[in-house]
Amino acid sequence: GAVVSQHPSWVICKSGTSVKIECRSLDFQATTMFWYRQFPKQSLMLMATSNEGSKATYEQGVEKDKFLINHASLTLSTLTVTSAHPEDSSFYICSARSDRETQYFGPGTRLLVL
Amino acid sequence: QKEVEQDPGPLSVPEGAIVSLNCTYSNSAFQYFMWYRQYSRKGPELLMYTYSSGNKEDGRFTAQVDKSSKYISLFIRDSQPSDSATYLCAMSSGLTGNQFYFGTGTSLTVIP
Repeated sequence: GAVVSQHPSWVICKSGTSVKIECRSLDFQATTMFWYRQFPKQSLMLMATSNEGSKATYEQGVEKDKFLINHASLTLSTLTVTSAHPEDSSFYICSARSDRETQYFGPGTRLLVL
Repeated sequence: QKEVEQDPGPLSVPEGAIVSLNCTYSNSAFQYFMWYRQYSRKGPELLMYTYSSGNKEDGRFTAQVDKSSKYISLFIRDSQPSDSATYLCAMSSGLTGNQFYFGTGTSLTVIP
């Protein structure tokens, strides 16, 4: 149990375009979903926390207008990187949690902006 | 001072060795302690999850929490090449509505 999927697993896009990444909890209802960013050989950096039906809470330094998060249902959250630039290239990982459970991570999405 | 400190390694051991991975923390409110394994270019996978102090064993893996010293450990017995990965510790003061704090990860290589 506790499987989290992400789609796509990798994406290459041109600078200035927007990219949407989906995160789904496949066998449980996720009241809270988290979005992380990870640079090579570094640990996870929390970008934002989203609760189903509420606006996401962004960490300091993360632009909410650039990284749009929608948690429309108990099994789906999306992260949209708007007007992506090369410096947005990274590994984006979501995690999901139901009440009183720990976090379960998705497999990650590798974004490369040319 | 970081909330969670973890030696990044890299750590290299021969197959069959006992591996000890450790994290220290500063927030005495932490009650939940997790270890995740992350293979290259993959998302972290939950290995062990413990509450408060004590030991928890699962197969070749043992997690220890010493809240008095603010120190947690993960032991891997009979290490295998497939254990080669980055191991992340994480902790939280609660599970509902609380942020998880992650260590930077320790890179482990088990040499056949």
